Amino acid sequence: SFDLTQPPSVSVSPGETVSVPCSGDELGDKYCSWYQQKSGQSPLLVIYHDNKRPSGIPERFSGSNSGNTATLTISGTQAMDEADYYCQAWDSSAGYVFGPGTKVTVL
Amino acid sequence: VQLVQSGAEVKKPGASVTVSCKGTGYTFTGYFTHWVRQAPGQGLEWMGWVNPNSGGTSYAQKFQGRVSLTRDTSINTAYMELSSLTSDDTATYYCASGLPASMRFDSWGQGTLVTVSS
Repeated sequence: SFDLTQPPSVSVSPGETVSVPCSGDELGDKYCSWYQQKSGQSPLLVIYHDNKRPSGIPERFSGSNSGNTATLTISGTQAMDEADYYCQAWDSSAGYVFGPGTKVTVL
Repeated sequence: VQLVQSGAEVKKPGASVTVSCKGTGYTFTGYFTHWVRQAPGQGLEWMGWVNPNSGGTSYAQKFQGRVSLTRDTSINTAYMELSSLTSDDTATYYCASGLPASMRFDSWGQGTLVTVSS
């Protein structure tokens, strides 16, 4: 089966940059998307096709994907960015797969 | 784009539940409707998709035989029926839209909490 791995949590100071890694076998050969989920809300797509931002998503959100690791980077992190972040990819055998999620805390 | 789901449900073990998802603000038949669930305090889990245009479906192996995804294009609504419920099915169920073959979920419904309890 195809699995994605993320650290359970990361913390960042306001205004700083935080990176959230997502690992999976040959993940770089697949498209990776990222979703933000704030407490009590539905997920929101923030990055698709590794590094594309949907309309309305701030430029401080960026993504990359190479080898076995995709990375979501938030530059100039704001308090409003505190949330759970999930990576997601599609695998021909497993279908749509999500990582376990990373809680980003803005200290 | 808006996806509006039906309200919370409480079911007994062994029962079935049906959740609806009405799409507005876009061409309903042009986007797959996916279903994703999230158990309390847990992560996201993809269940399957329905192609509103053709009625075709694809299910995650875990839910094969227990989930049925359908749609009614006359009212732009998709349905998820899950049978043989157990306490492990207690979760918030989301519908989400995505272009065919896009491999992502562009818009999400507000979620429907299904509680399974005797």
